[in-house]
Amino acid sequence: AQKVTQAQTEISVVEKEDVTLDCVYETRDTTYYLFWYKQPPSGELVFLIRRNSFDEQNEISGRYSWNFQKSTSSFNFTITASQVVDSAVYFCALSDSKAAGNKLTFGGGTRVLVKP
Amino acid sequence: GAVVSQHPSRVICKSGTSVKIECRSLDFQATTMFWYRQFPKQSLMLMATSNEGSKATYEQGVEKDKFLINHASLTLSTLTVTSAHPEDSSFYICSAQGSTEGEQYFGPGTRLTVT
Repeated sequence: AQKVTQAQTEISVVEKEDVTLDCVYETRDTTYYLFWYKQPPSGELVFLIRRNSFDEQNEISGRYSWNFQKSTSSFNFTITASQVVDSAVYFCALSDSKAAGNKLTFGGGTRVLVKP
Repeated sequence: GAVVSQHPSRVICKSGTSVKIECRSLDFQATTMFWYRQFPKQSLMLMATSNEGSKATYEQGVEKDKFLINHASLTLSTLTVTSAHPEDSSFYICSAQGSTEGEQYFGPGTRLTVT
């Protein structure tokens, strides 16, 4: 069975501070996909990144960066120089392969509060 | 990018009545759609996988006779909550599987309140 753990339930930072969200996953599949989503108060999920299990390159997109460590089954997310608009709940998710149904398993989410 | 819509965005219904939620892929065809439920301050939980032209596959613990799923076309899946009760009040989100491995596009969600 697949499992995603986000150990931090809530993080509070002051604007311009960096914040790192942890994500640890469990799967028996050799092909899988990892995701990060942002859920603002409106509720709509905002896609941030998808990474497949064969691509361990770290990625940077603006103030966002992701660190994928297959050896420790982690896919951590860092927001650099946080802004108030970054306040939201962030979900890490794991999907199995299309052949297996592409079902998404979500972590419990981390609520980020950025104070001005 | 691919767009998925849901209708209605909010619905309030009385206990015992049924309510239908639609999920549409607007600019692509989706043979597979997924329905998730999210209770307040909790994560998203997969309820069922909806496959066009066949019966939905429900996750363990989800009552298939209570949550009826119909995926009659490649762009539309519907979730009907039958005989709704206050404990069914939740945020229901659908997603549609894209053509590329691992792609899923989410709808904006439907907030259901049962009084």
